Amino acid sequence: AQTVTQSQPEMSVQEAETVTLSCTYDTSESDYYLFWYKQPPSRQMILVIRQEAYKQQNATENRFSVNFQKAAKSFSLKISDSQLGDAAMYFCAYRSRMDSNYQLIWGAGTKLIIKP
Amino acid sequence: DTGVSQDPRHKITKRGQNVTFRCDPISEHNRLYWYRQTLGQGPEFLTYFQNEAQLEKSRLLSDRFSAERPKGSFSTLEIQRTEQGDSAMYLCASSPRTSSYGELFFGEGSRLTVL
Repeated sequence: AQTVTQSQPEMSVQEAETVTLSCTYDTSESDYYLFWYKQPPSRQMILVIRQEAYKQQNATENRFSVNFQKAAKSFSLKISDSQLGDAAMYFCAYRSRMDSNYQLIWGAGTKLIIKP
Repeated sequence: DTGVSQDPRHKITKRGQNVTFRCDPISEHNRLYWYRQTLGQGPEFLTYFQNEAQLEKSRLLSDRFSAERPKGSFSTLEIQRTEQGDSAMYLCASSPRTSSYGELFFGEGSRLTVL
């Protein structure tokens, strides 16, 4: 069975600096999707960025980028120029392309604190 | 389109009572998911609907939990004979048929406290 591990329960970063959140996963499959979702306090979870496993190029979305290392089964999220609004729980998630129910496997999350 | 809405946002109940949560997904989203989330944890899958059909249900889900999605629109999640261990945030998410990677759109959740 696939698993997703986020080894950092909490991270903190100074406003305007860069922070990297770690995620590792375990799977025997070669074709899958990886996601980072953000859950701000008392607000709904939203998708930050996604990566298709067959794409070698790392995904980027404005200040958010990933470092996808398929062989190492690592999928870290880099947030550049951190802003106060980035404070949230960040969840890494995995989905097999073979799963017709589009089921996600979730990590336990990393709480990101932004210091002003 | 106002996004996924859930009702009620908060529910406090006594042990043994029944509770029902409602989720209105984004219109035309054919996939609908219910998750449970406890503090400091990731979402735990409960059940999944494609249109009105309930296609998957967590093996961890006791038979006190039931969900419906009549006509493939809104969904309800009922918990019968609530227990203190049921206290959690119940999240609903929907996903459009057109999304090949299955982006989930979440509601703000319904927080249940069982006394």
